[in-house]
Amino acid sequence: SAVISQKPSRDICQRGTSLTIQCQVDSQVTMMFWYRQQPGQSLTLIATANQGSEATYESGFVIDKFPISRPNLTFSTLTVSNMSPEDSSIYLCSVVRPIDYNEQFFGPGTRLTVL
Amino acid sequence: LAKTTQPISMDSYEGQEVNITCSHNNIATNDYITWYQQFPSQGPRFIIQGYKTKVTNEVASLFIPADRKSSTLSLPRVSLSDTAVYYCLVGDIDAGKSTFGDGTTLTVKP
Repeated sequence: SAVISQKPSRDICQRGTSLTIQCQVDSQVTMMFWYRQQPGQSLTLIATANQGSEATYESGFVIDKFPISRPNLTFSTLTVSNMSPEDSSIYLCSVVRPIDYNEQFFGPGTRLTVL
Repeated sequence: LAKTTQPISMDSYEGQEVNITCSHNNIATNDYITWYQQFPSQGPRFIIQGYKTKVTNEVASLFIPADRKSSTLSLPRVSLSDTAVYYCLVGDIDAGKSTFGDGTTLTVKP
């Protein structure tokens, strides 16, 4: 299975600031996704991080609020911009590898609290 | 995107077989059905995946009827450590279009 690490594992931030979350995978992957999971809720897909091109965002999520970078096949970042308490959530990175067709692996998540 | 419906919660006892059903009436031809398990403070973990009929691995079975409008995850002889949230996921991963259901909280009692 793919080994995925996320940094930071958790953070407490002030309203109006921004936080960048890093996702590192131990092998090259075809697709990387960013999800949000609010307390007691299911996972919601934020966007698909495309290598070498702009991310593809789901309805309700915009690039200005959640800019994403994917400079190579093993790394991606998600920035939560101009944060408000409503952004308090767990943010998870997920990947699909070429050899694991249709199986997603998830990172441990980043727990964000906005005061 | 195919919307999925699962029971909110289920209770069981150690050693019993547990069946969790997911409805996905609008499943598309290219969609696969995948089940994930999530423990608190962890990311979801893949359990099993299928397209049609029956799939079995070392931890679970997945039953999919011919019309593919539903699927049933079967966990044989559950233990306390199987207490978790189980998600039904329907979508074509390659297209980046997968939708998580609301999840079923399974509680296994001694």
